[in-house]
Amino acid sequence: DAGVIQSPRHEVTEMGQEVTLRCKPISGHNSLFWYRQTMMRGLELLIYFNNNVPIDDSGMPEDRFSAKMPNASFSTLKIQPSEPRDSAVYFCASSVRTGEPQHFGDGTRLSIL
Amino acid sequence: GQNIDQPTEMTATEGAIVQINCTYQTSGFNGLFWYQQHAGEAPTFLSYNVLDGLEEKGRFSSFLSRSKGYSYLLLKELQMKDSASYLCAVHGGATNKLIFGTGTLLAVQP
Repeated sequence: DAGVIQSPRHEVTEMGQEVTLRCKPISGHNSLFWYRQTMMRGLELLIYFNNNVPIDDSGMPEDRFSAKMPNASFSTLKIQPSEPRDSAVYFCASSVRTGEPQHFGDGTRLSIL
Repeated sequence: GQNIDQPTEMTATEGAIVQINCTYQTSGFNGLFWYQQHAGEAPTFLSYNVLDGLEEKGRFSSFLSRSKGYSYLLLKELQMKDSASYLCAVHGGATNKLIFGTGTLLAVQP
């Protein structure tokens, strides 16, 4: 079975540029989560969706961050404009439903210069 | 709010047993998860406790006491490949989300 698929695996860009991270959850999973991981702050939940609807976006740092889930098999996390402090590993995860074990993608390692 | 505490680092010897503790405070509790994360990789699910008691899964066991806000992960017959970060995560709060602790970095030595 295919796991959670994220793209790109690595992204290096200059500050001020728009960054779009993509995620395909496991088929049949109804909950999708975006996390950010840094050495300083650990693994932080940015936003999560149930049945394509955003439920909790309290972890989204500021208006520069936005996330969408147009259908059950695709989600994007966008940063515009990007800043060096956004450099981190961004993980997408999905689960059958909220409260069930989450399966993580391999992550996108983002570096903003 | 939610708060999760676990030791930052631990060291153990190959073949031994190690216990990683986690204490938590949360407004609303629906379960506690343990994840393993090797350096440079994604977290992978290890265990899940909803009710008090011990859940055993091979060399790994996890214990929960809801009244004490306490859990531990027990790793038996340690192997070198068990060197990783172990993340305690609590499911709950107003929006039923998963909050992760900062993780315990376990180093297994020969």
